[in-house]
Amino acid sequence: QLQLQESGPGLVKPSETLSLTCSVSGASISSTSNYWAWIRQPPGKGLEWIGHVYYRGSTFYNPSLKSRLTMSVDTSKNQFSLRLSSVTAADTSLYFCARLDDVAALFYFDYWGPGILVTVSS
Amino acid sequence: SSELTQDPAVSVALGQTVRITCQGDTLRNFYASWYQQKPGQAPSLVFYGKNGRPSGIPDRISGSRSGNTASLTITGAQAEDEADYYCKSRDSNGNHVTFGGGTKLTVL
Repeated sequence: QLQLQESGPGLVKPSETLSLTCSVSGASISSTSNYWAWIRQPPGKGLEWIGHVYYRGSTFYNPSLKSRLTMSVDTSKNQFSLRLSSVTAADTSLYFCARLDDVAALFYFDYWGPGILVTVSS
Repeated sequence: SSELTQDPAVSVALGQTVRITCQGDTLRNFYASWYQQKPGQAPSLVFYGKNGRPSGIPDRISGSRSGNTASLTITGAQAEDEADYYCKSRDSNGNHVTFGGGTKLTVL
C-alpha cells in the first residue's frame, strides 16, 4: 500500500525559506506514469495546488508561487521536496504531498499524505 | 479562464439524492476529479474521469460532465457523506492544476 509522509519544521520565520520533504513508501518515485505534488490549505479555507514534479526533474508550478518555489526529487531516497522562499503569514497552511496519476490523459491525486501544519511567525 | 466554481454549501436529507456541481471553461476539454475531505483529515479521491471510482468508494457516488459543468452525484446520502467536496481539473495550460473552492455537504 502506497504511503506518503510529510516532514519538516512546523514553524518558519517571516522572510525565511520553508522546506518540506515527502517520503514515499510502497511504490517507486521513478514511476513513469506519476508526478509528485504539493497542495496546501490555509486554516479554514480551500485547497491550493502548489506544483508537481516528475522523477526526472521536470517541474510545473502554480504561477502565483513560481518565483519563490523550488521542487526536486531524490530517487535514491524515494523522496521529493519543496522549498518556498521569502515566506509571509499568508503561507501559513496545512501542506499535503500527493501522488498525481497521469494515465490515459486523466490527471488525479490518488494518494495523499496526512499533511503537516506550517506556521509562519516570528 | 482556469477557475472552477462550486456552491459553498449544499444540504440533503438522509437517504435522498444530491448533486454537487463544478463549473469552468476548462471542463469542456478536461475531466474533473472529485475529493472528499472530512474534518482533520487529508482529502481523498472519490471519483475521476468519465467513470473512475477508486476501490472502496460505493457506487452510489458517481460523476458526470455536460458542457462546462462537472457534477458529483450521491444517491441515497448517508451520514458519513457529510464532508467538504472539491473538484479539480487541469487548467487551460494542460499541465497545471486548478481546484474548485469546495462545497460543504450537510446531511440532514
